[in-house]
Amino acid sequence: NAGVTQTPKFQVLKTGQSMTLQCAQDMNHEYMSWYRQDPGMGLRLIHYSVGAGITDQGEVPNGYNVSRSTTEDFPLRLLSAAPSQTSVYFCASRRGTVDHYEQYFGPGTRLTVT
Amino acid sequence: EDQVTQSPEALRLQEGESSSLNCSYTVSGLRGLFWYRQDPGKGPEFLFTLYSAGEEKEKERLKATLTKKESFLHITAPKPEDSATYLCAVQVTWAGKSTFGDGTTLTVKP
Repeated sequence: NAGVTQTPKFQVLKTGQSMTLQCAQDMNHEYMSWYRQDPGMGLRLIHYSVGAGITDQGEVPNGYNVSRSTTEDFPLRLLSAAPSQTSVYFCASRRGTVDHYEQYFGPGTRLTVT
Repeated sequence: EDQVTQSPEALRLQEGESSSLNCSYTVSGLRGLFWYRQDPGKGPEFLFTLYSAGEEKEKERLKATLTKKESFLHITAPKPEDSATYLCAVQVTWAGKSTFGDGTTLTVKP
């Protein structure tokens, strides 16, 4: 299993540009989520999904959109990039059963907005 | 609002010098508390889940414990390869978010 994969690893955007961060998992996990991590801080939840076709907002959803058309994929779209969105973005997945809450994280995408 | 506070922010140890990391939490109803390890430039790696007060889990030199208000990650005789940032997180509903602390960065000198 490849686990959770993310592309690209690095990205530089200009203010106002849009882009999509890709995330895929091959573990058949129902639950997927997107986090951002800023220097010296923990992870903050952007959006999450409990299954195909179902998404919901996390702590910091503004400026981001998600969709979940398949179990495997959960892309994150930046609508109009701003310098405040400079961060490292992590995608994670886990099983949907009540006794398996541990998450498996991808390697991250380092995004810089100038 | 759910809160997770980790201390200290940074910890420097000599190889073999045992110590503990703290994670205190304020939540409305705990379903699980998690410890993750994060190496520089990588995603967090799952270590332990604790579900109820009094529970303990061990893995090599690491031991996690849980009370009603806090969790400790005990590191016994650490080695330089244990150097990393350790993150604590709590889950209050099965479908909802995990709330993460800011982490403790551990450095073990040979």
